[in-house]
Order: sequence, then structure tokens, then C-alpha cells
Amino acid sequence: DAGVIQSPRHEVTEMGQEVTLRCKPISGHNSLFWYRQTMMRGLELLIYFNNNVPIDDSGMPEDRFSAKMPNASFSTLKIQPSEPRDSAVYFCASSLQGASRPLHFGNGTRLTVT
Amino acid sequence: GENVEQHPSTLSVQEGDSAVIKCTYSDSASNYFPWYKQELGKGPQLIIDIRSNVGEKKDQRIAVTLNKTAKHFSLHITETQPEDSAVYFCAASNNAGNMLTFGGGTRLMVKP
Repeated sequence: DAGVIQSPRHEVTEMGQEVTLRCKPISGHNSLFWYRQTMMRGLELLIYFNNNVPIDDSGMPEDRFSAKMPNASFSTLKIQPSEPRDSAVYFCASSLQGASRPLHFGNGTRLTVT
Repeated sequence: GENVEQHPSTLSVQEGDSAVIKCTYSDSASNYFPWYKQELGKGPQLIIDIRSNVGEKKDQRIAVTLNKTAKHFSLHITETQPEDSAVYFCAASNNAGNMLTFGGGTRLMVKP
């Protein structure tokens, strides 16, 4: 198995631009998580999907952030408009079932907003 | 919600020595406690986990202990090697199993 695949690995954009991060979970996993990692705040859960349905989006910072999971093999996290404080590493993770089973993380997307 | 505290934030040991990282959690209903290792430029990777019905678990040089009464759990690495150098995160999963809350991380440096 190729593991969780995220793209792009690096994204540099200017403030105000739209950013779309992509994730392909492990085949057969029915739970998907988006996390954000910064030095100041560590690893923060943004949103959790189960069977392609958003279950908990309480961690999404504000309306500029949105996430979708149109099918079991693809998810996107969109930021529109982006701001410098959104600069962080964004991780996608998947598991067989929820957060009480091992999460498998992708290698992340490093986002820099100038 | 759940709050996970992790100590120390940095730990430097000599190769061959043991390393211990400690975590506390706030939600007594949490029942799943994984540990992740993160190397530079990569995502966190699970190294060991423990559930609340078990007090200790071992996997070669790595062991984890859990004290549910005190709400703390620890990672023990014996005979450390330079390749153990990384950032380690503890985490706790809530009873509903829909959220994994991470500690702040420990940067472990193993000096050859």
C-alpha cells in the first residue's frame, strides 16, 4: 500500500489567493482527518470525516476554511482567501474506523502564505 | 474537551541510555493512547499504542505504561540509538472515538 498521499508537498502563495490541498487516504479506511501543525499550537484537528461525511468540524478556524470528501478515495481542504497566519504544515490521516484505531498520516503539505 | 500535557519538551541522552517521556490527560473517559514518532519532513508514524484495559505494553526496546487513576501514561525507550532521534507525540482518544488530541511533543536527541 502506498500509504496516505498528499499533494502538493509544498505550496507558496500570496495573501488573498485560494489554496487547495489534496489527500488520498489508504484504500479501505473509512475515517479521514485533517490536522494542522505549527510550532506555536502543535498538532490541531481541523475536521474529521467518517464514511465521507463530516462528523466534527469544530476545529476549522473560520469560514475561510472548507473541506470536502466527494468519495472514499479523495478529500480536499480549501482556504479562500489565504492569510499569512495560515502558514503551517497540513496533514491528512486515515484510519479503519475513527480515532480509536491507528491513524496513518501522509507526509503533509507545507503551506507558506506571503 | 480533552487536554494532553507532555513533558519534557526536549530530551538529550547518550546512545545506549534510556529515555522516558511522560504525558497526562484530562478526560477520564479517554480509552486509547497512541504514541507517534515524527522525523523531519515526514508525518507522524505510530510506534506503539495502549488501551485503557491494559497497564503496560512492550515492543522490543519500546514500552508504554498507563495509570488510569492518575491519568498519566509514559513512553520508555531502552538502549537508545541515534536513529531514535525524532519528535515524539503522545495522544489520547475520547470515548466517542472521533477525536485524537495530541500532546505538545518531545524532541529526543540521542548523542552517539
